[in-house]
Amino acid sequence: EAQVTQNPRYLITVTGKKLTVTCSQNMNHEYMSWYRQDPGLGLRQIYYSMNVEVTDKGDVPEGYKVSRKEKRNFPLILESPSPNQTSLYFCASSLRRVGYEQFFGPGTRLTVL
Amino acid sequence: GQNIDQPTEMTATEGAIVQINCTYQTSGFNGLFWYQQHAGEAPTFLSYNVLDGLEEKGRFSSFLSRSKGYSYLLLKELQMKDSASYLCAVKGTGSARQLTFGSGTQLTVLP
Repeated sequence: EAQVTQNPRYLITVTGKKLTVTCSQNMNHEYMSWYRQDPGLGLRQIYYSMNVEVTDKGDVPEGYKVSRKEKRNFPLILESPSPNQTSLYFCASSLRRVGYEQFFGPGTRLTVL
Repeated sequence: GQNIDQPTEMTATEGAIVQINCTYQTSGFNGLFWYQQHAGEAPTFLSYNVLDGLEEKGRFSSFLSRSKGYSYLLLKELQMKDSASYLCAVKGTGSARQLTFGSGTQLTVLP
């Protein structure tokens, strides 16, 4: 089954404790992206990747890191999480940049205390 | 940059027709997407418009006017399961950021 998977689905952590949210897709998509979703603000892009070893900042990259060492994986790293990073996070992938729909993972609900 | 506006909430009755509008201002335009998102779930793709006109897909249709910076999503024969948030997203040009999303329209379908 073609899908995007994320882990963990739910996480409660404390300020300053490094964490990684994994994202993997099995559709051989070049493009992958991370979004956060907050009430009233919609989906905002954090980072994206056009292909292996190619990443760039989205609209809200502060406090986040990513890497793309393999085509299928695109982990999101929070080196020192803070309470304002409490949010619902989605990973997405697509086949090409123009005209192709993005497939979203199931989401990761993160709470930083 | 890009700015996308859509109503925050709408309510309609089961079996009715509802139109959800989206207006946008962009520095470049390379297509508009509509996604459906049920509470706590991932967005799922509904439609894509890049040329002016109406795209029909079953009970759902989407319209685009590039000159007016305007799109709408039309849902016919509403069902209770259509209660969800509907997200308008615009693909710009000159950047690889792909999509900018509106805040979404929460549709409630009443019996």
